[in-house]
Amino acid sequence: QKEVEQDPGPLSVPEGAIVSLNCTYSNSAFQYFMWYRQYSRKGPELLMYTYSSGNKEDGRFTAQVDKSSKYISLFIRDSQPSDSATYLCAMSPSGSARQLTFGSGTQLTVLP
Amino acid sequence: DSGVTQTPKHLITATGQRVTLRCSPRSGDLSVYWYQQSLDQGLQFLIQYYNGEERAKGNILERFSAQQFPDLHSELNLSSLELGDSALYFCASSSGGTNTGELFFGEGSRLTVL
Repeated sequence: QKEVEQDPGPLSVPEGAIVSLNCTYSNSAFQYFMWYRQYSRKGPELLMYTYSSGNKEDGRFTAQVDKSSKYISLFIRDSQPSDSATYLCAMSPSGSARQLTFGSGTQLTVLP
Repeated sequence: DSGVTQTPKHLITATGQRVTLRCSPRSGDLSVYWYQQSLDQGLQFLIQYYNGEERAKGNILERFSAQQFPDLHSELNLSSLELGDSALYFCASSSGGTNTGELFFGEGSRLTVL
């Protein structure tokens, strides 16, 4: 069993929809949680970064962490075609980038 | 643009061959990471260098090796290539400080082994 599980999708939604992307994990030592966005033929880029449990909002994006359930989510409000990408969750027991464990990514398409 | 440069973008070679992938990190970043991304395995950490020294190893095969040079660019050498080595290879850099999970990724080198 992988340490981080992520539904690969693909997920297709109409423009304006609310999108929910999720990851589960098994390592209770994870404290830092990230979401990376990867456009086609590009490298991943950091989208959201949270520490421990709770919510973090940045514009149309909200990241949620529930450590008791070992479950993290990324919500996208008012989704746009430009949000079409693969979203990878990543997590680490420390703040160190070298200890990051990535999910396999969820491919999202927002239809105009 | 992340500031991380990877060459070549595409590479096609045959089984048993050897290739070298090159990475130039963001200006000022001391850490370089190499990742392999395939459809079935996702993004897998291979190895990290910090200021010329190996800092951490992940799931890197013995046929693979890397180094970071004094000018901080890095090379990933893949030898005795097998069909299963076909993948996207990403280089990422960071400042190397703690308390940050932010990696800056290049656009990747797509390796096809025939």
